[in-house]
Amino acid sequence: IAGITQAPTSQILAAGRRMTLRCTQDMRHNAMYWYRQDLGLGLRLIHYSNTAGTTGKGEVPDGYSVSRANTDDFPLTLASAVPSQTSVYFCASSDSKGDTDTQYFGPGTRLTVL
Amino acid sequence: GQNIDQPTEMTATEGAIVQINCTYQTSGFNGLFWYQQHAGEAPTFLSYNVLDGLEEKGRFSSFLSRSKGYSYLLLKELQMKDSASYLCAPMDSNYQLIWGAGTKLIIKP
Repeated sequence: IAGITQAPTSQILAAGRRMTLRCTQDMRHNAMYWYRQDLGLGLRLIHYSNTAGTTGKGEVPDGYSVSRANTDDFPLTLASAVPSQTSVYFCASSDSKGDTDTQYFGPGTRLTVL
Repeated sequence: GQNIDQPTEMTATEGAIVQINCTYQTSGFNGLFWYQQHAGEAPTFLSYNVLDGLEEKGRFSSFLSRSKGYSYLLLKELQMKDSASYLCAPMDSNYQLIWGAGTKLIIKP
């Protein structure tokens, strides 16, 4: 693994189903983020984690949950999917102890909720 | 509130120069990032400015004026592969990035 990986690449999901999007990084970055990107809108932060064992809510956290059991993994769970959660989801990580806090992004998961 | 303003779309000619402007209002400021995003792909880091002035990196340069809440990305010697969206993202006092909707740059031969 090099950088950040996300799985699945894409998914079609029935409304009401539970879904976990996976994110793994091998850069030993302490901070990780989940964003959603919708047409015509900027990236919106869902949840973040500044370090393993801690998480925080972003701009649009409702309907989503996260966990950070270790440095590398940061899964995002939709407990009961709704059509408004149709979006492209990006995971990112940064070395927030570094000079610039530059965020590096995974390839994204395209999720469709029907 | 926090707000980012950048043009929705711009068109330029291969080999030319283009300047993409961004104005912002944030709660506190800890630098400003520019990212490039090709259609269907993830954003990739281009530049970071925390002090006023111009930062040059090859064909790309980024400028910041903190007092004016203004930044621009300058792309020189445009190539077809530069067709992409360019995202302006200042960092607020909580070290969170505030993302603009991006500027879609179309390069014509």
